[in-house]
Parts: sequence; structure tokens; C-alpha cells
Amino acid sequence: AQSVTQPDIHITVSEGASLELRCNYSYGATPYLFWYVQSPGQGLQLLLKYFSGDTLVQGIKGFEAEFKRSQSSFNLRKPSVHWSDAAEYFCAVGAQGAAGNKLTFGGGTRVLVKP
Amino acid sequence: KAGVTQTPRYLIKTRGQQVTLSCSPISGHRSVSWYQQTPGQGLQFLFEYFSETQRNKGNFPGRFSGRQFSNSRSEMNVSTLELGDSALYLCASRPTGTASETQYFGPGTRLLVL
Repeated sequence: AQSVTQPDIHITVSEGASLELRCNYSYGATPYLFWYVQSPGQGLQLLLKYFSGDTLVQGIKGFEAEFKRSQSSFNLRKPSVHWSDAAEYFCAVGAQGAAGNKLTFGGGTRVLVKP
Repeated sequence: KAGVTQTPRYLIKTRGQQVTLSCSPISGHRSVSWYQQTPGQGLQFLFEYFSETQRNKGNFPGRFSGRQFSNSRSEMNVSTLELGDSALYLCASRPTGTASETQYFGPGTRLLVL
């Protein structure tokens, strides 16, 4: 069965500083990987996704993520954080086949942005 | 296109009652999935429907059920509510339900069980 680990529960970053959120996954085949963001009281919004090809993926709001198969990681980065980036971020892996077409989420990383 | 809509947005029930939540997917999307989000357990998959058939089910008791209508709208029902059912219930839709497709989430229904 697939699983996702986000080692950091909380991250505090100063506005204008860079941000990196870690994600490690476990899945037997080539994974479909996603990063979602959730603002308080809201649903999930897709930031970016990886299926195949270029391992550096660009997303919305200036985010990017890099797929590293050897490390089973899909870390999310942003060069310069804005106050509006304060939210909770979820990494997810999508599985197909016997596991069913569902998303398995990590526990999330809550990002606080200091002025 | 309009996004995924969920009704109601907020709901308060008491233990033992039952509740029905509704989800309207993005037009043209035939796959609808439901997730439960709680502070303790995080985001957990409940079930997925495609063309009115349940295609996959998560590890939840039988009190949790759902259905999908011919217009792809979906409902989920929780019977005999327990305090632990208090959660944000999220619905997501995608065109056909293959793993590579993006799931588009609604704003959720926040259920409080007293």
C-alpha cells in the first residue's frame, strides 16, 4: 500500500525568505504525485502534479517541486514567500489498480509567515 | 466552469442522528470521491463513485455510505452519528477517475456532532 510522510508538522518562515516542504512517499510503481494547499476553512487547491518526464515541476503561485526517485521524495519549494502563502500544505500520492484510484495524503505541513 | 459544490457547508447534529451530505461535481466529471478530514487522522479516503457505481471504498464502518446519481451528483450518508464523526467532509471530482487525473476539491461540509 502507498503512504506519504511529511516530516515537518509546522514551519515558520519570514516573508521574502525561501521555503522548502519535505515529502517522502512509498509506492511500488511509478507514482502520481501531487501537492495541494488548504487555507483555513477551505477545500484543497492543487499547486502542482508529477506524472512523468521532467522531474522539476512548475506550479501555480510560484511553487515548484522536484521528484527524486532515488530518495522517494517530492519536495516543494518557493524562492520567496508571501504572507498569503500561510496555509497548510499536503503532499499526496495517487495509485491506480488494485489499490484503487484514490489519493493518499501526508499529514500536512502548516506554514506560518512572519512579517 | 463552475467548481465542485457541496451542501450544506455547516451542519450540527447530535449523537445517534443520521446526516446526508451532497456534492455536485464539475460539469462533465463522472468520478466523485469523498474524504474525511480530522485533526487526529488527517485526510482519509472514504469512497469513490463512477457512473453510479462505487468503485473503491476506504476503511470506514458501514455507517458511512454513499451513492451517485445519473447526473454524477453524489451524496454521502452517515447513520447513527458518533462524536468522532465530527470532521470536514471533502468531495472531489475528476473526469474519469484515473490516477493521473487531478482531483478538484469542493469547499467541504463541516459536521459537528454533539
